[in-house]
Amino acid sequence: SAVISQKPSRDICQRGTSLTIQCQVDSQVTMMFWYRQQPGQSLTLIATANQGSEATYESGFVIDKFPISRPNLTFSTLTVSNMSPEDSSIYLCSVRFSLKDTQYFGPGTRLTVL
Amino acid sequence: GENVEQHPSTLSVQEGDSAVIKCTYSDSASNYFPWYKQELGKGPQLIIDIRSNVGEKKDQRIAVTLNKTAKHFSLHITETQPEDSAVYFCAASIHPSNYGGSQGNLIFGKGTKLSVKP
Repeated sequence: SAVISQKPSRDICQRGTSLTIQCQVDSQVTMMFWYRQQPGQSLTLIATANQGSEATYESGFVIDKFPISRPNLTFSTLTVSNMSPEDSSIYLCSVRFSLKDTQYFGPGTRLTVL
Repeated sequence: GENVEQHPSTLSVQEGDSAVIKCTYSDSASNYFPWYKQELGKGPQLIIDIRSNVGEKKDQRIAVTLNKTAKHFSLHITETQPEDSAVYFCAASIHPSNYGGSQGNLIFGKGTKLSVKP
C-alpha cells in the first residue's frame, strides 16, 4: 500500500481567494487522481494528474477552476481557484501503483469557504 | 457510462449481528469491484476488492460476493463490532488484465452509513 499525506488537512477560506492542496506519496506511483467529496456525498473524480503534461479533467471540471500540477511520480498539487461557498468540500488525493493495482486514498483536505 | 447503485443508504445493526450492503452496476465491461470504509474525518480505506474472475472473496469477518450475470455485488460483515461503524462505499471500474485491455476510472456508489449499536 501507499502512505499518502495531504497539506493542509483543513482550511477556512474567504470567497474569491484560491487554495493550493499538496499531495505527497512515500513511493513512486503510476497514477494520481484528485476527487471531491461534498458534505455527506459520494466521491466525484475531478481529474487525473499526469506527470509532465496537462491533467485529464472529467466532465464538469475545468483547468481554470482546478489547475493541477504533477512534477514527478510522488507529488501533485490541486488549486481551487476563485472559491465560492459551493466549493466547500473534502478534496482527496488518490493513487495507483499501476493500471491493474488497487487505488488508495489520502486523508483528505477539508475546505470551508465563507 | 458506468452507473453504480448502492443500498441501503443507512443500516443499523446490533453488535454481533451481520450486515449486508448491496450494489448494482450497469456496464457489463466492469471487472473490478472494491469496497472502501470511511470513518469520520478520514479518507476512504480499501477493505476488500474482487475481480470478475472470482465469485466470492473473504478476509476474516468481511466477504464480498459477485454475480456477473445479474451485475450486482455485495459486502457481508459478520459479527459486527462498534468499530465497524462508518460509511461504506462500493465502486466499479474496468481494470486491464495481465494481457492488457482498457482501463477505466472508479465509479462510486452513494455510500451506506453503518451504525453498530453495542
